[in-house]
Amino acid sequence: DAGVIQSPRHEVTEMGQEVTLRCKPISGHNSLFWYRQTMMRGLELLIYFNNNVPIDDSGMPEDRFSAKMPNASFSTLKIQPSEPRDSAVYFCASSFTGKLFFGSGTQLSVL
Amino acid sequence: GIQVEQSPPDLILQEGANSTLRCNFSDSVNNLQWFHQNPWGQLINLFYIPSGTKQNGRLSATTVATERYSLLYISSSQTTDSGVYFCAVESQGGGYNKLIFGAGTRLAVHP
Repeated sequence: DAGVIQSPRHEVTEMGQEVTLRCKPISGHNSLFWYRQTMMRGLELLIYFNNNVPIDDSGMPEDRFSAKMPNASFSTLKIQPSEPRDSAVYFCASSFTGKLFFGSGTQLSVL
Repeated sequence: GIQVEQSPPDLILQEGANSTLRCNFSDSVNNLQWFHQNPWGQLINLFYIPSGTKQNGRLSATTVATERYSLLYISSSQTTDSGVYFCAVESQGGGYNKLIFGAGTRLAVHP
């Protein structure tokens, strides 16, 4: 299996632009998680899905952030409009039995 | 919510030395995992260990759930062990494998 696949690996954008991050979980995994990592706040859980249904989005920082999982093999995290404080590494992870597997992350820089 | 504390925050070792990393948590857990984030940012799952002891090569982990702590042992450390080690837990009320991460232990192994 190719593991959890995220794209793009790096994204540089200007403040106010829309940003879309993509994730393909490991085939057969039924839980998907979006995390954000910053120096100040460490690894924060933003939202997680179970069987494509959002279960808990209490970690989403504000209404500018949204996430979807239209099917079992694809999820997106969208930021609109983006702000410099959104700069971070965004990780997607998936799980079936509880053991979590991470993608390589998307390094987002908002100028 | 559940609190996760890791110690020490930083650790410097000479190659070949042994070390013990600790993770304390504030509530009963269903799920506890250890991760290694290498210098390139990749998060690798080391152990899924809600209780008991497991070993994988030079690494082993022990979780004493009743006393709310877990230990990660690294023996005969190598420079490739450098990076940040995270403990992540799911509280018994959390559900759906919602893992909360500690702040990590940053390890540097020098040749």
